Amino acid sequence: KQEVTQIPAALSVPEGENLVLNCSFTDSAIYNLQWFRQDPGKGLTSLLLIQSSQREQTSGRLNASLDKSSGRSTLYIAASQPGDSATYLCAPSRGGYQKVTFGTGTKLQVIP
Amino acid sequence: DAEITQSPRHKITETGRQVTLACHQTWNHNNMFWYRQDLGHGLRLIHYSYGVQDTNKGEVSDGYSVSRSNTEDLPLTLESAASSQTSVYFCASSSRHTNTGELFFGEGSRLTVL
Repeated sequence: KQEVTQIPAALSVPEGENLVLNCSFTDSAIYNLQWFRQDPGKGLTSLLLIQSSQREQTSGRLNASLDKSSGRSTLYIAASQPGDSATYLCAPSRGGYQKVTFGTGTKLQVIP
Repeated sequence: DAEITQSPRHKITETGRQVTLACHQTWNHNNMFWYRQDLGHGLRLIHYSYGVQDTNKGEVSDGYSVSRSNTEDLPLTLESAASSQTSVYFCASSSRHTNTGELFFGEGSRLTVL
């Protein structure tokens, strides 16, 4: 059974800092890995999706990397802003649309 | 813009009542999913569907049912609500045709069973 761990569980940083969120998973035979953002009381918003054949994906200030062999993914946020405050979840998929496992997330607070 | 909507957003019910949560998507996606989100458990899959008339059980399906009569809708029914089903429920969809498996989520339905 795939297990997904996200460290740290919570993070508080001053505005402008560059930061890294970590995701580790136990089964490296994944099809893709998706990073989501969740605001309080809201649904999940897709940020980045990395296919198993890719090493990284970038969108604006966000960069996600994937190392399948070590079972790790990182989400890099450059020049953090208060609007980045949210919970970030990673979700590797083992193939088959139903085989997505979610981490419990990293709660990020960016202080102005 | 295409979207996925859930209703009601908030619901309070009593133990033993039947409850139906609606999910409607305008993405024209074949795949639809229901998850529940609880503290300490993350998101867990309840039921999923790959197309009209197709439904499948997920990880935590006991006490829940779904039906898929068209592409756009996948209602989730709690036949006899229990306090253990107090949770936040999310509907999601993905396209079979893009082959990326990217999931899109609704805003969630918060259910309280008293």
